[in-house]
Amino acid sequence: DTVLTQSPALAVSPGERVTISCRASESVSTLMHWYQQKPGQQPTLLIYLASNLESGVPARFSGSGSGTDFTLTIDPVEADDTATYYCQQSWNDPFTFGSGTKLEIK
Amino acid sequence: EVQLQESGPGLVKPSQSLSLTCSVTGYSITSNYWGWIRKFPGNKMEWMGYISYSGSTSYNPSLKSRISITRDTSKNQFFLQLNSVTTEDTATYYCARYVRVRDVMDAWGQGASVTVSS
Repeated sequence: DTVLTQSPALAVSPGERVTISCRASESVSTLMHWYQQKPGQQPTLLIYLASNLESGVPARFSGSGSGTDFTLTIDPVEADDTATYYCQQSWNDPFTFGSGTKLEIK
Repeated sequence: EVQLQESGPGLVKPSQSLSLTCSVTGYSITSNYWGWIRKFPGNKMEWMGYISYSGSTSYNPSLKSRISITRDTSKNQFFLQLNSVTTEDTATYYCARYVRVRDVMDAWGQGASVTVSS
């Protein structure tokens, strides 16, 4: 299975720019997606196909990357962005998820 | 607006079967694909499988011998059955709409917590 590696946690202050990385163990082309999960809630889709912003998601969120290295950027960060962020690939079967990056807003 | 809601027992005994229902409103399950994902304690997430608009299925090979996803189009529901469960199947189970053209899960249920314990 394709392993997706994310850093476990980040802490930033409101107004700052934060980048969350996801590295795949093999190429996934651009079939990488990002989800946000707030405590006690279900995941919600932020970015699909590496760089496409889901409808209704603020333009503060953006995604980039291809192959094995991907980035989710939030600029500027707001207090409401406290959540765990997951990457997920759909290029290789089975679909796999990263272990999640927990974002804390100081 | 599509909405999904999981339901089923919160406690299952080891070696028994886990059965969950996903009720969909606002969208027909005869369109698109419909999947199950689970999140283990410690936050690891696993794609379990999906059922298509036509009723065909695809499963994670790690579960293939134990999993079944079926549907009832008259009730706009789809179902998960996982056989021979162990304590390692303790997780929160989510149902989701899988949009094949974008290759993502764009709508999720709130999740059903299932504990496997005697």
